[in-house]
Amino acid sequence: EAQVTQNPRYLITVTGKKLTVTCSQNMNHEYMSWYRQDPGLGLRQIYYSMNVEVTDKGDVPEGYKVSRKEKRNFPLILESPSPNQTSLYFCASSLMGNGRAGWEGMDEQFFGPGTRLTVL
Amino acid sequence: KQEVTQIPAALSVPEGENLVLNCSFTDSAIYNLQWFRQDPGKGLTSLLLIQSSQREQTSGRLNASLDKSSGRSTLYIAASQPGDSATYLCAAGLQGAQKLVFGQGTRLTINP
Repeated sequence: EAQVTQNPRYLITVTGKKLTVTCSQNMNHEYMSWYRQDPGLGLRQIYYSMNVEVTDKGDVPEGYKVSRKEKRNFPLILESPSPNQTSLYFCASSLMGNGRAGWEGMDEQFFGPGTRLTVL
Repeated sequence: KQEVTQIPAALSVPEGENLVLNCSFTDSAIYNLQWFRQDPGKGLTSLLLIQSSQREQTSGRLNASLDKSSGRSTLYIAASQPGDSATYLCAAGLQGAQKLVFGQGTRLTINP
């Protein structure tokens, strides 16, 4: 079954304790991304990757790190979590849409089930 | 800067009605537009994707339309059922950009 998986699904931790949220997709997608969802703020992009070893900041990258050593995996790392990082996190993946002039945009994006993180 | 707006924020209708959810975007230079469904505390399920060159897409009781010139998309749900209750999000995929810009969503409640 084609899917995006995230682990853990729920996590309660304390300020300053490093954590990693894993994301994996089995669709051979080049593009992967992390979003956070907060009430009243909607979904905002944290980081994205357009291929192995190619990552870049989204709209709210502060306090987060990512890596893309393999095509299927895109972990999100919080080196020193703080309470303002309490949120619902989503990983997404897609193919890259190519036109005559090369890459033009992202194809249909598939989202993981989400990770609810609470930082005390 | 692309902004996506969904109105109303919440909608409650009786079962069996046909309904339309609205999505507007400020920049017509979109690559595609995607509609999602989100159940409380759960992930996003992709419902329909409309490419910028298309006018509409259909899947079962759902029909999504796209009018780039007016910056609008609509999601039509026919013969609504209580199981359709969820938050519906639209998201604009930008031309030459690496992210989706999401609306705030419409929380839909179908009353039996």
